[in-house]
Amino acid sequence: GAGVSQSPSNKVTEKGKDVELRCDPISGHTALYWYRQRLGQGLEFLIYFQGNSAPDKSGLPSDRFSAERTGESVSTLTIQRTQQEDSAVYLCASSLGVRGAQETQYFGPGTRLLVL
Amino acid sequence: AQKITQTQPGMFVQEKEAVTLDCTYDTSDPSYGLFWYKQPSSGEMIFLIYQGSYDQQNATEGRYSLNFQKARKSANLVISASQLGDSAMYFCAMREPSGYSTLTFGKGTMLLVSP
Repeated sequence: GAGVSQSPSNKVTEKGKDVELRCDPISGHTALYWYRQRLGQGLEFLIYFQGNSAPDKSGLPSDRFSAERTGESVSTLTIQRTQQEDSAVYLCASSLGVRGAQETQYFGPGTRLLVL
Repeated sequence: AQKITQTQPGMFVQEKEAVTLDCTYDTSDPSYGLFWYKQPSSGEMIFLIYQGSYDQQNATEGRYSLNFQKARKSANLVISASQLGDSAMYFCAMREPSGYSTLTFGKGTMLLVSP
């Protein structure tokens, strides 16, 4: 498969536990994005990586959220001390570049997180 | 202020008819990109069509076309010859330079196509 992949597909956790979500972007895509989608809502931007530049973390809702990306490959989104309001689908996207049509973002299938 | 406004929470259309999904946007940047995505009940976000702010012609991709009216700041999606498989949520999104290429999404329109 040449698309964006995410794991796990589903995650159920207990309040207060840490979770780690993984995203494998499309090979060759320099930009990677994380979004959150609560039930019945649109997408909220969380964080953006572009090449070796400092990530744009302006969308992270609290310091319990962090993300890393190694080079132009895999990214992990970590949520510490999960709360029930963190329950959502976490979507990862990647784009070839950041100009014109290259900025088109292709999304993975998402990780459905449920915090009990 | 909302950057992307989709005023139609839900739309109904009969199979084989055309349908227009509305989207208006707000930006002061002269350079921006507009996107439409489809999200079926399975949850994946499927890219449909892209329009750059400097593009002279309206974008088209198969049965999808984007009615871009720059002065009105509107970017409506037109789906011709609707199919049952078009039933889904449709999101309009905008990329602004000041947003580092992240997308701002509208709240979406649910389209239901009936036989």
